[in-house]
Amino acid sequence: DVKVTQSSRYLVKRTGEKVFLECVQDMDHENMFWYRQDPGLGLRLIYFSYDVKMKEKGDIPEGYSVSREKKERFSLILESASTNQTSMYLCASSSSAGTLRDEQYFGPGTRLTVT
Amino acid sequence: DQQVKQNSPSLSVQEGRISILNCDYTNSMFDYFLWYKKYPAEGPTFLISISSIKDKNEDGRFTVFLNKSAKHLSLHIVPSQPGDSAVYFCAAISTGANSKLTFGKGITLSVRP
Repeated sequence: DVKVTQSSRYLVKRTGEKVFLECVQDMDHENMFWYRQDPGLGLRLIYFSYDVKMKEKGDIPEGYSVSREKKERFSLILESASTNQTSMYLCASSSSAGTLRDEQYFGPGTRLTVT
Repeated sequence: DQQVKQNSPSLSVQEGRISILNCDYTNSMFDYFLWYKKYPAEGPTFLISISSIKDKNEDGRFTVFLNKSAKHLSLHIVPSQPGDSAVYFCAAISTGANSKLTFGKGITLSVRP
C-alpha cells in the first residue's frame, strides 16, 4: 500500500519562528510536492521537486523554502512564520521523472496555526 | 488568474440520484484532466482522469465528460451514496516540461440519506 506520511497532523507556532514540515514517501517516487489548502482557494502549489537536490517554484513560493536531500524525503521550511501562513499543508508524490501528469499520492496534511 | 474554475462551492443531492459536478477551464493548452476527492482530515485521493483525445471516461459509478470546445468538464456520480460526501477537486495540466497541475477551488458534495 502506497504511503505518504507527514511529520505532524497539527502544529502551533509563533510568529517569527522557523518551522519545518517533513514529508516521507515509501513509493520510490521521483516527484514530490508541497501544497497549501485554504477555504475558497483550493489547492495551491508551493514548491515541487523532480529529483534529489532539485527544486522548482510553484505558484506561491514566497515565504517558503524546501529541501530534498534524499529521494524519499521532502521538507518545507517557513523561515519566519507569519499569521498568513496559517493553513493546511499537503505533501504529495508521483512517479515518472520528466512529467507531472501522473496521479499524485497525498499525505494526510499538517494543520499549521501561526499565532 | 484562475485557470480552473469550479464555480459552485457546494452541491446537495439525495442518495440514489445523480450528482453532477462541473469544472471550467480557460487555458486552451490543458490536455489532461483529473478529479480528486478529499475527505476531512485526509489528503486528496485520485478519482478519475481524462485525456483531451477523449470525450468520456468511465470507472464504475464515476464518469467524466469533456467538452473541449466549451472548455468544460463534468463528473457524474450515479447512483450517489452517502460515502461520496466529500470535497471534489478538478485539476488540469498541459503538455510541456514545465507544466504543473492546476487545481480548482473544489466543490463540497453532500449526499443525503
